[in-house]
Amino acid sequence: AQKITQTQPGMFVQEKEAVTLDCTYDTSDQSYGLFWYKQPSSGEMIFLIYQGSYDEQNATEGRYSLNFQKARKSANLVISASQLGDSAMYFCAMREGDTGRRALTFGSGTRLQVQP
Amino acid sequence: DSGVTQTPKHLITATGQRVTLRCSPRSGDLSVYWYQQSLDQGLQFLIQYYNGEERAKGNILERFSAQQFPDLHSELNLSSLELGDSALYFCASSPHSEGPQETQYFGPGTRLLVL
Repeated sequence: AQKITQTQPGMFVQEKEAVTLDCTYDTSDQSYGLFWYKQPSSGEMIFLIYQGSYDEQNATEGRYSLNFQKARKSANLVISASQLGDSAMYFCAMREGDTGRRALTFGSGTRLQVQP
Repeated sequence: DSGVTQTPKHLITATGQRVTLRCSPRSGDLSVYWYQQSLDQGLQFLIQYYNGEERAKGNILERFSAQQFPDLHSELNLSSLELGDSALYFCASSPHSEGPQETQYFGPGTRLLVL
């Protein structure tokens, strides 16, 4: 079974609008971390936001927020007031804690295109 | 800029050859991770080192090896290269090793093309 599922291969959004990128995960661990990374066309991986499994509040970082629904095992990224520079691939990733697995497991990514 | 550096940025080589990719982690980070990003496999974890010792292994081929030196920089060695090894290779670093909350910061990657 896929550990991280991103069901939207591509998304379009108008500049200045908000957009939600979906991510569902699968783990039997109680302790885990969820991450979102941005990969522009230049190729680098940029860390955006982190949510811990025990965090009661949804994480926010500037225009990025994470809609964490633990019971549904979803960790959707919300980008508010989209900008042209937000056009990129976005990856959801998980790091499981109980099993001592230290590496990140990534989803297949969502390509976001912001239109003027 | 994440603070993680990788060299070279691009590498073009032939099948059967051997290459070495280099990574310097962020100042103070003890853990280094190597990932491979290819079109067909996506982003896959290869191997992790922590303070000079191997800590975890992922889908790393036997033709590939890595090490972390006393100054904490790391090298990924790829040998007997095949066309399918063409990919973007990332190094990431984090302060420690344990804990799901540790954020990994990625370098700019090395784009390897095997002809």
